[in-house]
Amino acid sequence: DQQVKQNSPSLSVQEGRISILNCDYTNSMFDYFLWYKKYPAEGPTFLISISSIKDKNEDGRFTVFLNKSAKHLSLHIVPSQPGDSAVYFCAASGGGTSYGKLTFGQGTILTVHP
Amino acid sequence: DGGITQSPKYLFRKEGQNVTLSCEQNLNHDAMYWYRQDPGQGLRLIYYSQIVNDFQKGDIAEGYSVSREKKESFPLTVTSAQKNPTAFYLCASAGTYKETQYFGPGTRLLVL
Repeated sequence: DQQVKQNSPSLSVQEGRISILNCDYTNSMFDYFLWYKKYPAEGPTFLISISSIKDKNEDGRFTVFLNKSAKHLSLHIVPSQPGDSAVYFCAASGGGTSYGKLTFGQGTILTVHP
Repeated sequence: DGGITQSPKYLFRKEGQNVTLSCEQNLNHDAMYWYRQDPGQGLRLIYYSQIVNDFQKGDIAEGYSVSREKKESFPLTVTSAQKNPTAFYLCASAGTYKETQYFGPGTRLLVL
């Protein structure tokens, strides 16, 4: 039972264009969502997050959108840069836990071509 | 430099052998976590600890054990009961905002 799904295993984008990574969830108790970025042979690093009381959060080139009714969130990267090439994981938290339990999606490999 | 370290980078396990993965942090974080990553899958929680001398099972704790004797350290033992141990193991820690977790570089465990 995969509660957080990233249905696109990979995404290829030209430098300077927009990258849109998508994530769907099934558990309506999730109330906090995060995106992590991971380079090969390294641990993930936190990128951006959004609370369920918001529908948008922006940090520089990165914007996360949350559509609660559709149980869908997306990460927009504008403009995309070659250094953004990595695996992006979305994660969700909540459901009555307080210890920081994160449920991760499978990840999407983003490749930004120069 | 503040951070979280894991050692070794690669670890080989023989059949029937227990192996221990190290995780150390100097971020003064109370909470620490162990995840496992398999190809094409997201990270899955093995064990977590919110405070020294306390730890709880995550979603896939069978075949693993942990200890939390010091705030800085949270070692994970992969026991012989874990029948499919080959994976990338990630340790994380968190401070006040437990969802914002800081990850170590990971240990890749391979079975000989």
